[in-house]
Amino acid sequence: GQQLNQSPQSMFIQEGEDVSMNCTSSSIFNTWLWYKQDPGEGPVLLIALYKAGELTSNGRLTAQFGITRKDSFLNISASIPSDVGIYFCAGLPSSGNTPLVFGKGTRLSVIA
Amino acid sequence: DVKVTQSSRYLVKRTGEKVFLECVQDMDHENMFWYRQDPGLGLRLIYFSYDVKMKEKGDIPEGYSVSREKKERFSLILESASTNQTSMYLCASSLRGRGFGYTFGSGTRLTVV
Repeated sequence: GQQLNQSPQSMFIQEGEDVSMNCTSSSIFNTWLWYKQDPGEGPVLLIALYKAGELTSNGRLTAQFGITRKDSFLNISASIPSDVGIYFCAGLPSSGNTPLVFGKGTRLSVIA
Repeated sequence: DVKVTQSSRYLVKRTGEKVFLECVQDMDHENMFWYRQDPGLGLRLIYFSYDVKMKEKGDIPEGYSVSREKKERFSLILESASTNQTSMYLCASSLRGRGFGYTFGSGTRLTVV
C-alpha cells in the first residue's frame, strides 16, 4: 500500500523546548491528520487539515498542510512532560475509496 | 463523545487457539477498522468494513478474518493463533465519507505463547 515517511523516528528533548516533526509522501493526499498516542492507550486525533496551505493550531500544537499536498508538519511549542507519547501522521489519498494511510510514528520523550 | 470499546485490554492465548477480539462503537459509525501495532512498524491495517456484512482486506490480512453482523460491532478472528501474532491490536471507527478522522479504542495487547 501507500506509505508515509515520518521523521524523526524518536526525539529526546528538554522540557520547555519546541518540537518539530514531519511527514512526506510521493503521492498527493486530500487530508492530513495528526494523532497522539499516550502509553497504553489508543491514538487520539489532535489536528485535521483539509486544504493545501492550511495552518491550524490547537493550543501549543500547530500543523500545516503542505502546498504540494505531499507533506505536513506538526510543531509543539514549549514542551511539557505530558507531551510524551507517540505522534502519528495520517493522510487520505486523493483517489479511490481507501482508508487512511499512517506514518510509523515519532516517539517523543521529554526530560524534565 | 464517540466511544470505541475493545473487550479486553490484555489477553494471553496458546498457539493454535482460535481467538476473538471484539470491538463495539456507540456512535452509529459506518466504517470500522482493525490495526496491529508493533514497535518500529507503526499501525498496519488488517481488515476494514464500510458497512454491515461487508469486509475488505487491508495490508496484512493473512492469518486473520473478521465479522460484522451488526453495525456497531466488528470482530477480529485469529483462526489459529501463532506467536508472530503477539501484538497490540487497535480497533477504530469513523463516519462514512472521506476526510473524517478515526476514533480508536484503547487497544488489546495479545500475547500468544
